[in-house]
Amino acid sequence: DGGITQSPKYLFRKEGQNVTLSCEQNLNHDAMYWYRQDPGQGLRLIYYSQIVNDFQKGDIAEGYSVSREKKESFPLTVTSAQKNPTAFYLCASSIGWREQFFGPGTRLTVL
Amino acid sequence: AQTVTQSQPEMSVQEAETVTLSCTYDTSESDYYLFWYKQPPSRQMILVIRQEAYKQQNATENRFSVNFQKAAKSFSLKISDSQLGDAAMYFCAYRSAFEYGGSQGNLIFGKGTKLSVKP
Repeated sequence: DGGITQSPKYLFRKEGQNVTLSCEQNLNHDAMYWYRQDPGQGLRLIYYSQIVNDFQKGDIAEGYSVSREKKESFPLTVTSAQKNPTAFYLCASSIGWREQFFGPGTRLTVL
Repeated sequence: AQTVTQSQPEMSVQEAETVTLSCTYDTSESDYYLFWYKQPPSRQMILVIRQEAYKQQNATENRFSVNFQKAAKSFSLKISDSQLGDAAMYFCAYRSAFEYGGSQGNLIFGKGTKLSVKP
C-alpha cells in the first residue's frame, strides 16, 4: 500500500539531546513537509523540500534541521537549540499544487 | 500574509443531523486552493475536501460539501447525516497557487474546530 510512514510513534528526549524523526513515503511525491502541532493550535510549517537535495525554511525553522538525500525520505532533526520541542510532529507529501497527504505523526516529549 | 480563521473552537451535532463549520480567510491573491482536513483522536490528518478558487461550483464529497463564497472569503464545511465517526478536529487550510521565493504550496491552517457527535 502506498503511504507515508513516520517513526517512532512516541519519542522521549532528555534536555540537551538531538533527536531525529523519520519520514518515508512511497507515493513518488516530489514535495515533502514537516509540521509542528501544539495543543489548541493548527499546524505550523517547519521545513519543506520540493526536490531532492533542496529544502527551504518554513515559519518556525529555528532549532530544527532536515536533509533530503532521497526522494522517499525527509528526516527531521530536533536539536538542543530548540527551546520547547515537546509537540506532535507531522510529515506530509504532495505532487506540485495538489493536496498534501499526511503521515501518522510522532509525539516528542522532552523529559 | 494570508490568514485563516475558524471562529468556532467547538461544535456539537446530533447523530444523523447536519452541521456547518465556519472558516474565513484573508488574502489579496486571486488564485488559491482551500482544504478541509479532519484529525480524529488517532491524530492522523485526513483530507476531507478541496476547492479551487477559480471554480465557482462548490465541491462535494459524499456527505461533505462546502459553501465557497469568494467575495466574502468564506469557506464553510457542511456535514450531512452526521455519524459518530465524524467526531474529530476539523482544520481549514489555505494554499496559494503562486510561488513567492520558494514558498510554493505551503498550507496555512486555522486553529481548528472540535466536532462532537451525540448518539
